[in-house]
Amino acid sequence: AQSVTQLGSHVSVSEGALVLLRCNYSSSVPPYLFWYVQYPNQGLQLLLKYTTGATLVKGINGFEAEFKKSETSFHLTKPSAHMSDAAEYFCAVSPGGYQKVTFGIGTKLQVIP
Amino acid sequence: DADVTQTPRNRITKTGKRIMLECSQTKGHDRMYWYRQDPGLGLRLIYYSFDVKDINKGEISDGYSVSRQAQAKFSLSLESAIPNQTALYFCATSEDREGNTGELFFGEGSRLTVL
Repeated sequence: AQSVTQLGSHVSVSEGALVLLRCNYSSSVPPYLFWYVQYPNQGLQLLLKYTTGATLVKGINGFEAEFKKSETSFHLTKPSAHMSDAAEYFCAVSPGGYQKVTFGIGTKLQVIP
Repeated sequence: DADVTQTPRNRITKTGKRIMLECSQTKGHDRMYWYRQDPGLGLRLIYYSFDVKDINKGEISDGYSVSRQAQAKFSLSLESAIPNQTALYFCATSEDREGNTGELFFGEGSRLTVL
């Protein structure tokens, strides 16, 4: 079984400030990890993913995430928030193969001018 | 044009009505999924299909049915809609290959309101 915990359903940051969205997971096998972003009135799109190899993963729009196995975490960061980053962010875990993907409850990011 | 297309994008209906949400994809993926999004609950899997002859229930399938008409088409039906089925519904696809990571490709969603 697997699960995802996203700490903070709503996060507010000032424009130009660091963005940190937290994600912890549990998985019985080495996981594949994802961050998806949902802009208002749109579907989800992939922001970045960890499969194997380098534990620091870079994604679109300046976001990155680090896979920390010892902490079972995959936190999403961006050094400087832009107004256009306001969206809902979902962390997800997958064992791969024929197993299903499990999503966190999502974190809504508000960027304050 | 979007790779994963959902119709309708918005629908308002009344309790007891039958509703069908349709999904078509041009990605050539074998696997297709229907998810439901509710505030504070994230995305929950309703049904999934790994090929045309394979249909599986997800975690919240009660009150829903699906049909996989072709590799590219996967529809979701609510036989008798009820207000707590008011939600945003997403169709998604993924590849079926060795080493599949589970990465999903989403449609833009269908917002359903049941009065």
